[in-house]
Amino acid sequence: GAGVSQSPSNKVTEKGKDVELRCDPISGHTALYWYRQSLGQGLEFLIYFQGNSAPDKSGLPSDRFSAERTGGSVSTLTIQRTQQEDSAVYLCASSRPSGAYNEQFFGPGTRLTVL
Amino acid sequence: LAKTTQPISMDSYEGQEVNITCSHNNIATNDYITWYQQFPSQGPRFIIQGYKTKVTNEVASLFIPADRKSSTLSLPRVSLSDTAVYYCLEENYGGSQGNLIFGKGTKLSVKP
Repeated sequence: GAGVSQSPSNKVTEKGKDVELRCDPISGHTALYWYRQSLGQGLEFLIYFQGNSAPDKSGLPSDRFSAERTGGSVSTLTIQRTQQEDSAVYLCASSRPSGAYNEQFFGPGTRLTVL
Repeated sequence: LAKTTQPISMDSYEGQEVNITCSHNNIATNDYITWYQQFPSQGPRFIIQGYKTKVTNEVASLFIPADRKSSTLSLPRVSLSDTAVYYCLEENYGGSQGNLIFGKGTKLSVKP
């Protein structure tokens, strides 16, 4: 079946521009996660959605970052006034938590380059 | 603030058993432990998950002692294709997720 998809796969933008990254989770997955991974580094958690709600937004690195999820499905991560330090791969994952089990399925990521 | 600690890198040879340990010094009662594998230019992939004692699936085993202050991922008879970065993660059990913090990852290199 279809996995998690993300678009665009690559995005090059100029410093100061806004960008919008999209995540299409696996159908039926109630939980959705955004992470950031800088080159050669580990995963940095950004935000988690259960349905359309984000119980904890403390992982977002600054107020330039925002995310929303509509209809319990597609999510968008928006970065306003991009900075060079925002350059990274942005990964989305979805899951269907079930009691004692939660397996996150990751998308291929969006590689963001801020010039 | 890192919740987990794991070795930066490990080397092994084909056919050997590899054990990667992660420390969970501040693990909460409601947290369970998950391990992920990541190849270059790909998103992480789930390997195994557990709360305590031992869990085994078709690719790995996970050992968690009674105090849950550590976990050990065991890969039997590794092959070259197991060369990847392995991450441990603490996740809230059944409730809403707080700040999910992956470990910094262990880069496993399997040599012929």
